Amino acid sequence: GNSVTQMEGPVTLSEEAFLTINCTYTATGYPSLFWYVQYPGEGLQLLLKATKADDKGSNKGFEATYRKETTSFHLEKGSVQVSDSAVYFCALSPPNNDMRFGAGTRLTVKP
Amino acid sequence: EAGVAQSPRYKIIEKRQSVAFWCNPISGHATLYWYQQILGQGPKLLIQFQNNGVVDDSQLPKDRFSAERLKGVDSTLKIQPAKLEDSAVYLCASSLARGRTDTQYFGPGTRLTVL
Repeated sequence: GNSVTQMEGPVTLSEEAFLTINCTYTATGYPSLFWYVQYPGEGLQLLLKATKADDKGSNKGFEATYRKETTSFHLEKGSVQVSDSAVYFCALSPPNNDMRFGAGTRLTVKP
Repeated sequence: EAGVAQSPRYKIIEKRQSVAFWCNPISGHATLYWYQQILGQGPKLLIQFQNNGVVDDSQLPKDRFSAERLKGVDSTLKIQPAKLEDSAVYLCASSLARGRTDTQYFGPGTRLTVL
């Protein structure tokens, strides 16, 4: 079946630190991969996506590369800010768009 | 462009009562989704509509949950009767189509507390 496993949180970093949140997936066929972010009190917002192997999604300094050989889509950012504090969800969308989400990773960035 | 609208934002009810949530998707989006997000978990798809037809309701507890999307635009999700374990945030999302590359856009959600 289709599923996503992401790094358990919470993650606490100091401002300007490097961020990695791991995400691996299991899928039949060729899914698209997504990272969504949920800021406190708000709904999910698309952060970035990649639709085929070796694609790199990027937005707001965040990046993730679709690695078919390792079935991974790790989220990275070179220098986090306090405003990046949120919950991050990795998700996959198979051909029927029955999207599957990971459990979420809470990130707290301290000044 | 207006986003996905949901109401109410918060609802508190007692077990065995009924409740309904409303969603208005982004204009022109053919596909609409309802998700349940239990605290500390990722969203779980309950039902997916394409225009006004159901394309996937395999994870909807049909003995107590129902949903409709009349005229292929707005949608309502109903729970009757509610149980304690239904306490969650109910998210509505929409997308232009239901291909794997179509981005889903989410509303702010309705937080349901069942006492």
